[in-house]
Amino acid sequence: QSVLTQPPSVSGAPGQRVTISCTGSSSNIGAGYDVHWYQQLPGTAPKLLIYGNSNRPSGVPDRFSGSKSGTSASLAITGLQAEDEADYYCQSYDSSLSRLFGGGTKLTVL
Amino acid sequence: QLQLQESGPGLVKPSETLSLTCTVSGGSISSSSYYWGWIRQPPGKGLEWIGSIYYSGSTYYNPSLKSRVTISVDTSKNQFSLKLSSVTAADTAVYYCATETGTTLDFDYWGQGTLVTVSS
Repeated sequence: QSVLTQPPSVSGAPGQRVTISCTGSSSNIGAGYDVHWYQQLPGTAPKLLIYGNSNRPSGVPDRFSGSKSGTSASLAITGLQAEDEADYYCQSYDSSLSRLFGGGTKLTVL
Repeated sequence: QLQLQESGPGLVKPSETLSLTCTVSGGSISSSSYYWGWIRQPPGKGLEWIGSIYYSGSTYYNPSLKSRVTISVDTSKNQFSLKLSSVTAADTAVYYCATETGTTLDFDYWGQGTLVTVSS
């Protein structure tokens, strides 16, 4: 089991808003370490979607946003599109700089 | 823009050592701006961080794999490598090399991944 907990799946209709949670502990997210989010389309390598809790790399649409509070973080996707159907992973650290991934969430666009 | 490419055998026998290399282009592996990392993904499962190395040679390993993992850098070839010893079928996965840039340590550049199967 992953140290960072994500829901296995979420779904939404086109145009809707969905959120994906990432729950950690006082040893990782709650200790102040940044959370990053990745999108993995089928058969491809993960792509950085959000870094430093809430920052978007160049080229990532502003439909994607991230936030962090306490021991948890969230990824929000607004104006859902068919092309958003993918697996999403959160990532953070612990005090030994071990990189931690969430178990992943499969987003289905209905 | 950095580009990373994994290479190595696609089939490894149980109990042997898995060896992969990641070739970096578009930047220097000696740069203080980067960490160089390995991540794997078993078929149908999630991502697992294996370890990362800083340009200085400092290494950080997943505690669950630490006893079997070695990551090293070859500055003359602009490459970094992964060795995972005593492999079993549970080590079958797509192996990705990736880089962490700057102070936020996010994996911002990824290789395409290479499937390694452990089987006799």
